Amino acid sequence: AQSVTQLDSHVSVSEGTPVLLRCNYSSSYSPSLFWYVQHPNKGLQLLLKYTSAATLVKGINGFEAEFKKSETSFHLTKPSAHMSDAAEYFCVVSDQGGNAGNMLTFGGGTRLMVKP
Amino acid sequence: GEEVAQTPKHLVRGEGQKAKLYCAPIKGHSYVFWYQQVLKNEFKFLISFQNENVFDETGMPKERFSAKCLPNSPCSLEIQATKLEDSAVYFCASSQHLSRAFFGQGTRLTVV
Repeated sequence: AQSVTQLDSHVSVSEGTPVLLRCNYSSSYSPSLFWYVQHPNKGLQLLLKYTSAATLVKGINGFEAEFKKSETSFHLTKPSAHMSDAAEYFCVVSDQGGNAGNMLTFGGGTRLMVKP
Repeated sequence: GEEVAQTPKHLVRGEGQKAKLYCAPIKGHSYVFWYQQVLKNEFKFLISFQNENVFDETGMPKERFSAKCLPNSPCSLEIQATKLEDSAVYFCASSQHLSRAFFGQGTRLTVV
């Protein structure tokens, strides 16, 4: 069984300040972990993914996330927020059961607001 | 194509009417997934296909929901006799390997 908890439903930062979106997971196997972003009225876009390679993963738009097995965490960070980063962010986990047909489990989402 | 195409973008149905949503997966992808996004951003897994075969349908409400992925046709998700609580955004995703799932833009279904 797998589950994902996004610890904050809303995060508000000022433009130019760091962003931290928290995600904890549980998984029976070695998980694959993803962060997706959803802008208003848009589809989901993959920001980055972890699939058992380097634990520090760099994604698009300056985002990165660190896989910490001991803490079962996969927090998303960015050094400096832009106004365009305002969106909904989803942490997603999938067990690497070796079968591409396994489903993904989504966290509840974190709404990031960026103040000028 | 290189993107998952979902149609229509918006769909409005009166309660009790039928709704049919379409999804064209990326060419070459064997797996298709349907998700329902309701209020508070909850994503509910509905069903997955491996090619035209149902792979996992544990999330599908059996009574009114059905889905198909036929060869050389877009996949479809059909809701018979829609209810108000069916109002949601329905996302389709396709993948070849688990480590990369591509999502469509979603179809917003509003039942009035």
